[in-house]
Amino acid sequence: KAGVTQTPRYLIKTRGQQVTLSCSPISGHRSVSWYQQTPGQGLQFLFEYFSETQRNKGNFPGRFSGRQFSNSRSEMNVSTLELGDSALYLCASSSRGQGSYNSPLHFGNGTRLTVT
Amino acid sequence: DAKTTQPNSMESNEEEPVHLPCNHSTISGTDYIHWYRQLPSQGPEYVIHGLTSNVNNRMASLAIAEDRKSSTLILHRATLRDAAVYYCILSAYGNKLVFGAGTILRVKS
Repeated sequence: KAGVTQTPRYLIKTRGQQVTLSCSPISGHRSVSWYQQTPGQGLQFLFEYFSETQRNKGNFPGRFSGRQFSNSRSEMNVSTLELGDSALYLCASSSRGQGSYNSPLHFGNGTRLTVT
Repeated sequence: DAKTTQPNSMESNEEEPVHLPCNHSTISGTDYIHWYRQLPSQGPEYVIHGLTSNVNNRMASLAIAEDRKSSTLILHRATLRDAAVYYCILSAYGNKLVFGAGTILRVKS
């Protein structure tokens, strides 16, 4: 079974630009969540989507948004990039909400975003 | 969100067992205890989880205190590939996992 795939692996953007990151979950998983990892703040929850609906949201500004498509693939978008948005962005999928609400999360290897 | 406390770092010798402790004194009755680990340049990897009873899988064992205020992840024979950051997390319904700083495990050959 293929794991969680995130594209691209690396990205360099300039302040003020916007960026879109993509995540393909494990086949059959309908829940996709996003996390930001920085050296200072560690891993922080951004949001979670289930069956195309945002189910949970972390404490991030509105510049961070996401969506999920009918095939469960997800994208997250960051607009008006700031230097502090430089981070590793991780996507995780799970079968939570499909009868086993505490199934583990399966993470991708992330997209490393650098904002200059 | 209920919090967990873990030591910043631990060291082990290869082929020896490792016991990674986690305190979660404010755990609620519906919180599961999850362990993930993160190797360099990779996303976190699920290790094990449990609610009340001790759990075993091919990767590790999870020992949960009777009052559930602490738990211990046990790696039975540490290898160099087990060197990673280990996160102990409490998770109730939903996918909002709250990660702490974790424990950096170093394995010496």
